[in-house]
Amino acid sequence: DGGITQSPKYLFRKEGQNVTLSCEQNLNHDAMYWYRQDPGQGLRLIYYSQIVNDFQKGDIAEGYSVSREKKESFPLTVTSAQKNPTAFYLCASSTLMGRGNTEAFFGQGTRLTVV
Amino acid sequence: SQKIEQNSEALNIQEGKTATLTCNYTNYSPAYLQWYRQDPGRGPVFLLLIRENEKEKRKERLKVTFDTTLKQSLFHITASQPADSATYLCALGSGGGADGLTFGKGTHLIIQP
Repeated sequence: DGGITQSPKYLFRKEGQNVTLSCEQNLNHDAMYWYRQDPGQGLRLIYYSQIVNDFQKGDIAEGYSVSREKKESFPLTVTSAQKNPTAFYLCASSTLMGRGNTEAFFGQGTRLTVV
Repeated sequence: SQKIEQNSEALNIQEGKTATLTCNYTNYSPAYLQWYRQDPGRGPVFLLLIRENEKEKRKERLKVTFDTTLKQSLFHITASQPADSATYLCALGSGGGADGLTFGKGTHLIIQP
């Protein structure tokens, strides 16, 4: 089955710890994205990547880091510098077809809680 | 700054009626607009895309309109069913397409039997 997989579904982090969220896709999509969703809020873009070994900051990149070593994978690290990391994190992918205008495929999300 | 507004309160509709959701935007000139459905605790699922040069798009019971003069999109679900109950997100994209979408906060739709 083609799709985008995030793991884990739930993640608990202690204060001061870095944690890494996994995102894998087998849709052969060039572009991948990380969004954050807080209760009652829209999705906000953290980072995105259009090609392997390249990525760009989104609107709220501070306290996060990413890598894109393989086309299929786009892990997100939430560092201790992120002041309020508790949120629902969503990974997405899409094609770069022409001028874009393509749908985004989302994973099922990772709910991160700081304890 | 760019701003997208969707009905902030829940929308209650009786089963069988048409549900109409609104998406307004300011300080933005999107090349296209997308609508997604999101169920609790799950990722959004794509429903429809409409481009800036299109007025209307349909898919089964769904219809989207896009008025770039009014800076507004309307999303209609006809013959609504309880299974249509979910949060619906409006998202805008630029011409480049691959630099991410800007999302509204969503409208929580409840279809009552």
